[in-house]
Amino acid sequence: DTGVSQDPRHKITKRGQNVTFRCDPISEHNRLYWYRQTLGQGPEFLTYFQNEAQLEKSRLLSDRFSAERPKGSFSTLEIQRTEQGDSAMYLCASSLGQGSTDTQYFGPGTRLTVL
Amino acid sequence: AQSVTQPDIHITVSEGASLELRCNYSYGATPYLFWYVQSPGQGLQLLLKYFSGDTLVQGIKGFEAEFKRSQSSFNLRKPSVHWSDAAEYFCAVGPYKAFSGGGADGLTFGKGTHLIIQP
Repeated sequence: DTGVSQDPRHKITKRGQNVTFRCDPISEHNRLYWYRQTLGQGPEFLTYFQNEAQLEKSRLLSDRFSAERPKGSFSTLEIQRTEQGDSAMYLCASSLGQGSTDTQYFGPGTRLTVL
Repeated sequence: AQSVTQPDIHITVSEGASLELRCNYSYGATPYLFWYVQSPGQGLQLLLKYFSGDTLVQGIKGFEAEFKRSQSSFNLRKPSVHWSDAAEYFCAVGPYKAFSGGGADGLTFGKGTHLIIQP
């Protein structure tokens, strides 16, 4: 059973650098979500794709953040000019898109540390 | 806007004792409710979910939760905890939009309850 995978699992970068994370959803899932989780908090929704279309973005997603899902399969999340406040766990989830009974399955996350 | 409150930041329970984790939600329509568990270094694992129907839902690992509309609550319970249940537990609400091919908002999570198991 192949679940949601994320790469890398950990990333340490210096302030001002760009970083990119990858998420591979469960193969038949057409919906893909990105969340951010800071220490002591629950995950917060960032953005959502249905197939290759980015349908929704949270106000948390500043202009420095961009997400893509070019072929409706894997997705990338890029953060430009990283800031210390970007340090967090970035979680990806996918779902089958079964309307009102949709259930999201989460990957292990990418932990970002900005020095 | 929807919100989820988990009143207990930490809970300590003795192994073998019963457990109840509280969750209250604020949402204007029929909510879709979830409980997830997160162990250190692991992603979120779905324990159970409520969409409609029977208000008592069974999940994995012996967990159950009861939806009480009058109290806006969805508390998680387990009759006898095991040391392996020590983890962070998150309650979440999903405000899925009316379906005309439209998308779905992300889940709104509570801040979590950290469960500690005493031997």
